Amino acid sequence: ILNVEQSPQSLHVQEGDSTNFTCSFPSSNFYALHWYRWETAKSPEALFVMTLNGDEKKKGRISATLNTKEGYSYLYIKGSQPEDSATYLCAFLGSNDYKLSFGAGTTVTVRA
Amino acid sequence: EAQVTQNPRYLITVTGKKLTVTCSQNMNHEYMSWYRQDPGLGLRQIYYSMNVEVTDKGDVPEGYKVSRKEKRNFPLILESPSPNQTSLYFCASSLMGPNVEKLFFGSGTQLSVL
Repeated sequence: ILNVEQSPQSLHVQEGDSTNFTCSFPSSNFYALHWYRWETAKSPEALFVMTLNGDEKKKGRISATLNTKEGYSYLYIKGSQPEDSATYLCAFLGSNDYKLSFGAGTTVTVRA
Repeated sequence: EAQVTQNPRYLITVTGKKLTVTCSQNMNHEYMSWYRQDPGLGLRQIYYSMNVEVTDKGDVPEGYKVSRKEKRNFPLILESPSPNQTSLYFCASSLMGPNVEKLFFGSGTQLSVL
């Protein structure tokens, strides 16, 4: 099982503040890195699929960067809102097969 | 509406009683996959399928079976469930595979094995 780590495990943010958190993954045999947003009692929903080193993706106030050489990705939330409260999952795909390995997630709670 | 449909949503069963969790997608996706979610752990892949009649083991396949006889369906079979298979299960699909495409998840099945 590949080691995909997310930190911190949880964080609390004041409404309007910006935040970021990390996904670390193996730097060898990289193919793709996924980010998902998972709200309580719902299904995970895709945010980004990133494949190129240096890639940057943006969706509204959420953005992500990718460094495949050092094996990490950052997810940023700008001007956090209560509706951003969720668990954010990253998932690593290596180049050897189609097994997608998920991290345990970072749970974000935005306080009004 | 494009979706991945899992049934049942909740299931309580007893040790050893065979069960099947169904998964169906209406998006003509090639790739389908099963995951289990346990507290403190990430989603762990059980099996995946790249096409009809093509299935491969994920990271935690022990105690599970799958089949892909039709493109749209990918049932998860527990021949002899045990309490350590109590978990939240998700089915997911992708048009061409996670190498280029995001996954669409079903609504989940909460399974309790007594």
